[in-house]
Amino acid sequence: AQKITQTQPGMFVQEKEAVTLDCTYDTSDPSYGLFWYKQPSSGEMIFLIYQGSYDQQNATEGRYSLNFQKARKSANLVISASQLGDSAMYFCAMREGTQGGSEKLVFGKGTKLTVNP
Amino acid sequence: DAEITQSPRHKITETGRQVTLACHQTWNHNNMFWYRQDLGHGLRLIHYSYGVQDTNKGEVSDGYSVSRSNTEDLPLTLESAASSQTSVYFCASSDPSGTYEQFFGPGTRLTVL
Repeated sequence: AQKITQTQPGMFVQEKEAVTLDCTYDTSDPSYGLFWYKQPSSGEMIFLIYQGSYDQQNATEGRYSLNFQKARKSANLVISASQLGDSAMYFCAMREGTQGGSEKLVFGKGTKLTVNP
Repeated sequence: DAEITQSPRHKITETGRQVTLACHQTWNHNNMFWYRQDLGHGLRLIHYSYGVQDTNKGEVSDGYSVSRSNTEDLPLTLESAASSQTSVYFCASSDPSGTYEQFFGPGTRLTVL
């Protein structure tokens, strides 16, 4: 079974509008972390935002926020006021546990976001 | 500024040849990782290391090996390159005392003919 599922292969949004990229995860470990990375067409991987499983509040970083719904095992990325430069692949990833061996990340297959002018 | 570099950035090789991809980080991170990225698969973990002399197999380790002789470097070796190993390879590092955010290198595009 996939540990990270991104069901939207591609998404389109108009410039200045908000967009939500879906991510669901599967783990039985009570301690885990969730990440979102951006990969523009130039290819580099850019860290966007992190949410720990014990964090009480949803993580926010500028225009990025993570809508963390623990019971539903979802960690959707919300981008507010989309910009043309937000066009990229977006990957959701998970780290399980906090003990040794837990630093590995498991990635979803990604969502390609296109921002239209 | 601290960084993580990969070399070469592009490599074309022939089936059966041994290939080594270099990864060097100046973050002084104990943790280092190698991933491959293929269309439709996202990033998949090949090998990883939590410190000098420590190496571990990831999800897709067959045909690959790594060694860790110092903190800064984790070279990835393809023992006998196969066409199925044509991919983009990313190296990453992380600090276990932080949020486990991984810092990625720029990637190496490898083509095996």
